[in-house]
Amino acid sequence: AQKVTQAQTEISVVEKEDVTLDCVYETRDTTYYLFWYKQPPSGELVFLIRRNSFDEQNEISGRYSWNFQKSTSSFNFTITASQVVDSAVYFCALSATLYGQNFVFGPGTRLSVLP
Amino acid sequence: DGGITQSPKYLFRKEGQNVTLSCEQNLNHDAMYWYRQDPGQGLRLIYYSQIVNDFQKGDIAEGYSVSREKKESFPLTVTSAQKNPTAFYLCASSIAVASSYNEQFFGPGTRLTVL
Repeated sequence: AQKVTQAQTEISVVEKEDVTLDCVYETRDTTYYLFWYKQPPSGELVFLIRRNSFDEQNEISGRYSWNFQKSTSSFNFTITASQVVDSAVYFCALSATLYGQNFVFGPGTRLSVLP
Repeated sequence: DGGITQSPKYLFRKEGQNVTLSCEQNLNHDAMYWYRQDPGQGLRLIYYSQIVNDFQKGDIAEGYSVSREKKESFPLTVTSAQKNPTAFYLCASSIAVASSYNEQFFGPGTRLTVL
């Protein structure tokens, strides 16, 4: 079975703090893709990043960085120097070849960045 | 601009009525999806379609129906058989058939409330 767990339901930080959102996944497939999406209050999910199972290099994009570790089946997301505009619900998702194009989404983590 | 549009943004329904949610995309994507989002539960797949005139049930298809007569359109009907239809509905699309690589692009969503 495929599963994505985001243990943190809600996180609150003060602006400029760093924050890490955890994502743990389960799959039997050896080829899979992991994604992060952001859902601002407007409701539309915005794609942030895709990572394939053969590429464990960490990635940095501005204030965002992602740490993929196959040994612990984790794909964590860190926001450095958080800003109020980062307030949103963040979803981790898994897509595996056995599942075709179907995504399995985690329950999401609601991040509130306070001024 | 290319994207996915959903209408209406808000929809109110009386118990026992069927309602149809619209989803249109001009991204020339083959695959389209419908998700339901409830608080704290992430996204759950209702139906998906990989090609015109073909669609498959997702994890929670009961009480819903879809059609895919045109590549750009994938309307969802919430029937009176759906026991608890109040939720936020998201439509998505992705490029190719049978590939877990491609990210999904999402519309702005429709919030359905049953009165």
